[in-house]
Amino acid sequence: DTEVTQTPKHLVMGMTNKKSLKCEQHMGHRAMYWYKQKAKKPPELMFVYSYEKLSINESVPSRFSPECPNSSLLNLHLHALQPEDSALYLCASSQDRAGGVSDTQYFGPGTRLTVL
Amino acid sequence: GQSLEQPSEVTAVEGAIVQINCTYQTSGFYGLSWYQQHDGGAPTFLSYNALDGLEETGRFSSFLSRSDSYGYLLLQELQMKDSASYFCAVPPRGGRRALTFGSGTRLQVQP
Repeated sequence: DTEVTQTPKHLVMGMTNKKSLKCEQHMGHRAMYWYKQKAKKPPELMFVYSYEKLSINESVPSRFSPECPNSSLLNLHLHALQPEDSALYLCASSQDRAGGVSDTQYFGPGTRLTVL
Repeated sequence: GQSLEQPSEVTAVEGAIVQINCTYQTSGFYGLSWYQQHDGGAPTFLSYNALDGLEETGRFSSFLSRSDSYGYLLLQELQMKDSASYFCAVPPRGGRRALTFGSGTRLQVQP
């Protein structure tokens, strides 16, 4: 099983709403990632979890709050978002071997978020 | 920081060969990866080069020259399904996990 699943596929929310994005993998990977992708742009790294601990936060605003409940699950909690946060949110995972630099990343299909 | 440059668009016909170039400037180098992304889809891994030379995987090959800070992805026997965006990527500064992506090259394969 080389699949990363994400729910929901689409999400529309108002600026005062609280919602969560979910990501799951069953490949035994120990590193998980959140990326944000705007139309016709490359994915941009937001957060990295390694062995369920947050290892990288790329200066993401606090209205985005990641959580890694266990090694298979990754959540992104959203609160008080702005319209400019509308984008495709991609989850990825990798084995996280020593250094991790050569690890293949496996991406989920993404959640397309629209903030009204 | 990390900087990767790619052409924004490339057009080719079915059965042809196309090369997508990537030049990079990085603080430390830990290898160059290539990912494919179809419209509405997720990025999928194509290849990884840590050392100079050519890596071949079926119809796709990837080349790296570390001395020139340059790599390319070569797609042979193009098929319509190869129409997609192609990204080169490197680990972010310090060789940490995750990826910094180039701006992407949109490949359009025509009949």
